[in-house]
Amino acid sequence: DAKTTQPPSMDCAEGRAANLPCNHSTISGNEYVYWYRQIHSQGPQYIIHGLKNNETNEMASLIITEDRKSSTLILPHATLRDTAVYYCIVRPEGTGANSKLTFGKGITLSVRP
Amino acid sequence: GAVVSQHPSRVICKSGTSVKIECRSLDFQATTMFWYRQFPKQSLMLMATSNEGSKATYEQGVEKDKFLINHASLTLSTLTVTSAHPEDSSFYICSGQGFTEAFFGQGTRLTVV
Repeated sequence: DAKTTQPPSMDCAEGRAANLPCNHSTISGNEYVYWYRQIHSQGPQYIIHGLKNNETNEMASLIITEDRKSSTLILPHATLRDTAVYYCIVRPEGTGANSKLTFGKGITLSVRP
Repeated sequence: GAVVSQHPSRVICKSGTSVKIECRSLDFQATTMFWYRQFPKQSLMLMATSNEGSKATYEQGVEKDKFLINHASLTLSTLTVTSAHPEDSSFYICSGQGFTEAFFGQGTRLTVV
């Protein structure tokens, strides 16, 4: 079972920030928070990950609460191409069999013109 | 990011025949690869963990004799769906594990008629 819970869907206006929440209250100390997204009929795409500090890259920002029980993925200026299912996943960093990803239902983000 | 190439992207086969899906890591070596299956409007479900040079590890409920996995090199893993039936029609996705994040193939849409 997935160790995260996300709302089923949300929408935002094009050009505005999209804030996608995720709860992971049972996260372990060595587990990172990963975000992936899946555009219809494609393989998932890596977005960002973090342990406890906030992270930012060219795609998004990740804000993790101090107690690490929840996080928010921020797409600063959403475009129509950001419409996708976004998955929040917790797992240890690194390689090997323990690096498998357990996908929940994700949150469907719809960006409207 | 790293590239995982999956072929074919789409295949239609007759019931009772076998289909092979290839997954290649193009610019990194993947000791571990993962195979997922996704039915319409559902999330990705892990089928098996493919380990280079050894037998794959299958998730509970996945028939190892039906879904044959071979991981003969650090850049290639194959999934063969043997004696395919209409209920095997699904979207199959592979991923290769990089040092910090997983990279996914484009997926293979299998339709068994």
